[in-house]
Amino acid sequence: AQSVTQPDIHITVSEGASLELRCNYSYGATPYLFWYVQSPGQGLQLLLKYFSGDTLVQGIKGFEAEFKRSQSSFNLRKPSVHWSDAAEYFCAVGPHGKLTFGTGTRLTIIP
Amino acid sequence: EPEVTQTPSHQVTQMGQEVILRCVPISNHLYFYWYRQILGQKVEFLVSFYNNEISEKSEIFDDQFSVERPDGSNFTLKIRSTKLEDSAMYFCASSETRDQPQHFGDGTRLSIL
Repeated sequence: AQSVTQPDIHITVSEGASLELRCNYSYGATPYLFWYVQSPGQGLQLLLKYFSGDTLVQGIKGFEAEFKRSQSSFNLRKPSVHWSDAAEYFCAVGPHGKLTFGTGTRLTIIP
Repeated sequence: EPEVTQTPSHQVTQMGQEVILRCVPISNHLYFYWYRQILGQKVEFLVSFYNNEISEKSEIFDDQFSVERPDGSNFTLKIRSTKLEDSAMYFCASSETRDQPQHFGDGTRLSIL
């Protein structure tokens, strides 16, 4: 069965600092991987996706993620965070329409 | 940019009552989904729908639940005889194909009293 682990429940980062959110997945074949962001009271917005090809994928809002098959990881990164990046971030795995989400990482930005 | 829209944003219902959550998927999308997120927990898949029938459903999606595409634009989730544990945020999503990224609505917060 597919599963996703996000080991960090809550991360606090200073504005302007770099960010890395961890995601590990379990899936029997080549995974389809996604990062979504959820601001308070809002839905899930797609940040980026990996289907195949280049293992470093670029997304919206300056985010990128790297697929590492050997580590079963798909970590999300941003070189310099902005206060507006404060939100909940979800990693998901899911070919064929059924997404399995991690428990999410809540990102707090401090001035 | 096209959006998935959900109504109502908040629904309060007495336990045992039926509730219908409504969604308008993106117009050229063919695959539709419902997920739920119980407060403080992860987002969970409920059901996927394509070509007017259920493609896949989770263990959560029992006989209490049903989905329907009553016309060319709406996609609904019906919960019969609601229980306290049905209280959650329900998200609708749609995608062009089964493997394309899913676009989510802002959700309906369902509160069962």
